[in-house]
Amino acid sequence: GESVGLHLPTLSVQEGDNSIINCAYSNSASDYFIWYKQESGKGPQFIIDIRSNMDKRQGQRVTVLLNKTVKHLSLQIAATQPGDSAVYFCAENAGTYKYIFGTGTRLKVLA
Amino acid sequence: KAGVTQTPRYLIKTRGQQVTLSCSPISGHRSVSWYQQTPGQGLQFLFEYFSETQRNKGNFPGRFSGRQFSNSRSEMNVSTLELGDSALYLCASSLSGSNEQFFGPGTRLTVL
Repeated sequence: GESVGLHLPTLSVQEGDNSIINCAYSNSASDYFIWYKQESGKGPQFIIDIRSNMDKRQGQRVTVLLNKTVKHLSLQIAATQPGDSAVYFCAENAGTYKYIFGTGTRLKVLA
Repeated sequence: KAGVTQTPRYLIKTRGQQVTLSCSPISGHRSVSWYQQTPGQGLQFLFEYFSETQRNKGNFPGRFSGRQFSNSRSEMNVSTLELGDSALYLCASSLSGSNEQFFGPGTRLTVL
C-alpha cells in the first residue's frame, strides 16, 4: 500500500515543532470523523476519531479539533518526530457504513 | 493477531480483461469495505459487506462488483478493465458495531 499522493499538498515541519494538518469536510450531517496516517508501503492507519457532539479530543501527542460551523477538522501533532512523516487523511461518516476521505496532506519532518 | 491481508499485492492487466482481488479480514471482523485510491481522486469508497450482504456502495459503475463469503473473506471483481482503473485497491475490516477500520496493504493494479 504505497502512499498515493503525487498531487498532495505538503506540510514541512522541523523536528520537535508542532504540526497542524487541516481538512474541510463536505456533509454537514456527518456525525463522525476519523484521521488516518498512511506511510509508504502501507494501508491507512487509524490515529484518532471524534464525534460531532464534541469539538476537541486528545490522544497521545495528537489532538483533533472539530468546527462544525465551518465544516473544518484539524489534526495537531505535538513534538513532531521523523516517524510522523506520512500522508494524513481525514474521513467523514457519509452515511451508514460509508466514509468519504479527504484528499490528504503529506507531512515531511525535517531533521 | 494477523492483520488484514490482500492478495495479490501487485497485478498487471490489459484493457478489456477482468480481475479479481481478495481480502482476508482480521479474525473476528465481519465487516469488510473496499476503497480505490488514485493520485487524482484520492481514496474513494467502493462498497461494504457484512455477513455476506452488501450494505452500502459508492458511485462506481457496475463493472465493479464484490462479494463476501461465510468466513468473512471478501473478493472484488472488475470486468472490462479500463486504463483509468489503474489504482491501489484497499480493503478494510472492522468489528461489528465499531467505527474503527483496519486497512490492508492494498493491491496495486496496473492496466496497460
